[in-house]
Amino acid sequence: DAKTTQPPSMDCAEGRAANLPCNHSTISGNEYVYWYRQIHSQGPQYIIHGLKNNETNEMASLIITEDRKSSTLILPHATLRDTAVYYCIAALTGGGNKLTFGTGTQLKVEL
Amino acid sequence: NAGVTQTPKFQVLKTGQSMTLQCAQDMNHEYMSWYRQDPGMGLRLIHYSVGAGITDQGEVPNGYNVSRSTTEDFPLRLLSAAPSQTSVYFCASSYSIPRSSYNSPLHFGNGTRLTVT
Repeated sequence: DAKTTQPPSMDCAEGRAANLPCNHSTISGNEYVYWYRQIHSQGPQYIIHGLKNNETNEMASLIITEDRKSSTLILPHATLRDTAVYYCIAALTGGGNKLTFGTGTQLKVEL
Repeated sequence: NAGVTQTPKFQVLKTGQSMTLQCAQDMNHEYMSWYRQDPGMGLRLIHYSVGAGITDQGEVPNGYNVSRSTTEDFPLRLLSAAPSQTSVYFCASSYSIPRSSYNSPLHFGNGTRLTVT
């Protein structure tokens, strides 16, 4: 799996968009980018994934650069409940799901 | 549909004791795995299983045993607990899609907090 690099922490005002960057410059052509988050003391929660195209679901949007070397997770209207550690993972498997979770970005949403 | 259920939520052991952390899922997922999480570190994969009767080692398997006799259950055994095994343990499951580059999203339990004194 390709290594990913994320800032250790970010702050965001409630109601504003939170843009979380991730660098994955060594990603291979068929590795997906996955985002998970972990709210304090809970198990990680899947957010979104993508390969090449931008993706959007009810939780977030994922923007992947054309060269696929970086991506941004966007929470369009952050709330206090979005305070969590966000993990960006680049992974390819042949039937397993051995995701490698780094230390992620601690997002703090404040009033 | 309960998802992934881990028991117990909390456990304190003395060095040398043995115990089993239980994990059960009701989503008919083929893939199950165990992670441990230590302060300031990400999650590290201990063992995983791609189906009943099949297990394999992850990044940090030493000191832990697993078995997968049914699709639903994937217990993690500590044969002789050590203080270095003090951690939060998470079980996760997903569908397994062989020969595909796509990972079905992992579903995690809420963890077992283990302290070894």
